[in-house]
Amino acid sequence: QVHLQESGPGLVKPSETLSLICTVSGVSVSDVSYFWGWVRQPPGKGLEWIGYISASGVTNYSPSLKSRITMSVDTSKNEFSLRLNSVTPADTAVYFCARDRGDSDYWGQGTLVTVSS
Amino acid sequence: EIVLTQSPGTLSLSPGERATLSCRASQSLHSSYLAWYQQKPGQAPRLLIYGTSTRATGIPDRFSGGGSGTDFTLTITRLEPEDFAVYYCQQYGSSRTFGQGTKVEIK
Repeated sequence: QVHLQESGPGLVKPSETLSLICTVSGVSVSDVSYFWGWVRQPPGKGLEWIGYISASGVTNYSPSLKSRITMSVDTSKNEFSLRLNSVTPADTAVYFCARDRGDSDYWGQGTLVTVSS
Repeated sequence: EIVLTQSPGTLSLSPGERATLSCRASQSLHSSYLAWYQQKPGQAPRLLIYGTSTRATGIPDRFSGGGSGTDFTLTITRLEPEDFAVYYCQQYGSSRTFGQGTKVEIK
């Protein structure tokens, strides 16, 4: 059974860096059939695609966030991560990790990150 | 970047009725790489349809997808109480983008 779980701070100060980890079970992040992605959803709003990474480190980021994003993958821990720097209150959202095969068939439950001083 | 526009914004229907949701792309999608998701409050999105018309595992056959080029539809033939939710389309032919969503609410 494939399972993804996000973890990280729920509160980040403006101008600082948001860091999240997605821990994967039931499938290896080294599986070349998949990418590993992030999607966010501001409160009361729609879904926004953030980007994805492959086990070999190939990345594809949203143009609107590209300058502030870094994704990485740790095959030894079977997890991948997101870093978003210089955050503002507009980055407040529920952040989801997901298995990306083009569409996303497995998702984490999501974690709310609030940007506030 | 491909922009997806969903219509209507809100669909008010009764259980048992047919729902037709639209998703229009700003440019033709490569190989019909379009998916549909259902999201209920407080939950992650759930994949319904991929490749325009293929139902994901465990999705009932009252859900169907169609279309090509720039115009795509999700049809729910007979709405069940659990189908009232927000639906998103997503293209994955050129990077990834989501539509803004259609809320299907009880009339």
